Amino acid sequence: DAGVIQSPRHEVTEMGQEVTLRCKPISGHNSLFWYRQTMMRGLELLIYFNNNVPIDDSGMPEDRFSAKMPNASFSTLKIQPSEPRDSAVYFCASSLDGKETQYFGPGTRLLVL
Amino acid sequence: SQQGEEDPQALSIQEGENATMNCSYKTSINNLQWYRQNSGRGLVHLILIRSNEREKHSGRLRVTLDTSKKSSSLLITASRAADTASYFCATTGTASKLTFGTGTRLQVTL
Repeated sequence: DAGVIQSPRHEVTEMGQEVTLRCKPISGHNSLFWYRQTMMRGLELLIYFNNNVPIDDSGMPEDRFSAKMPNASFSTLKIQPSEPRDSAVYFCASSLDGKETQYFGPGTRLLVL
Repeated sequence: SQQGEEDPQALSIQEGENATMNCSYKTSINNLQWYRQNSGRGLVHLILIRSNEREKHSGRLRVTLDTSKKSSSLLITASRAADTASYFCATTGTASKLTFGTGTRLQVTL
């Protein structure tokens, strides 16, 4: 298995632009998680899905952030409009069961200028 | 918010020595997991210990769990330079999600 796939790996954009991060979970996993990691705040859970349904989005910073999971093999995290404080590494992870082992993708390093 | 707090925040040891990291948490858990993160990479799962277990081994790793003290420790024996990384504990409760701690940065020097 290729593991969790994320794209792009790096993204540099200007403030105000829309950013879309993509994730393909491991086949057969029914839980998908989006995290954000910064030096200041550490690793934060933004949102997670179970069987393609958003279960907990309490970690989503504000309305500028949205996430979708249209099917079991694809999810997106969108930031519109982006701001410099959104600069971080965004990780996607999947698991067979949300309480068990999570498998992380390589992350998307986002820089908003 | 972070549930787990790792201690120490940073640890520097020489190759061959043992490294011990501690994790404390606040609420009841279903299981506790340890992850490693190499610089610039995603997290990699190391070991999972359930709330009814007290100790678990995996290769050079030994994890203990004390639910009465709400704490866990990760011991890496005979450390190697390749063990240099950040180590995170993560807990699950009733919800199907992990809550990560703040991490311990381990530096193993030759």
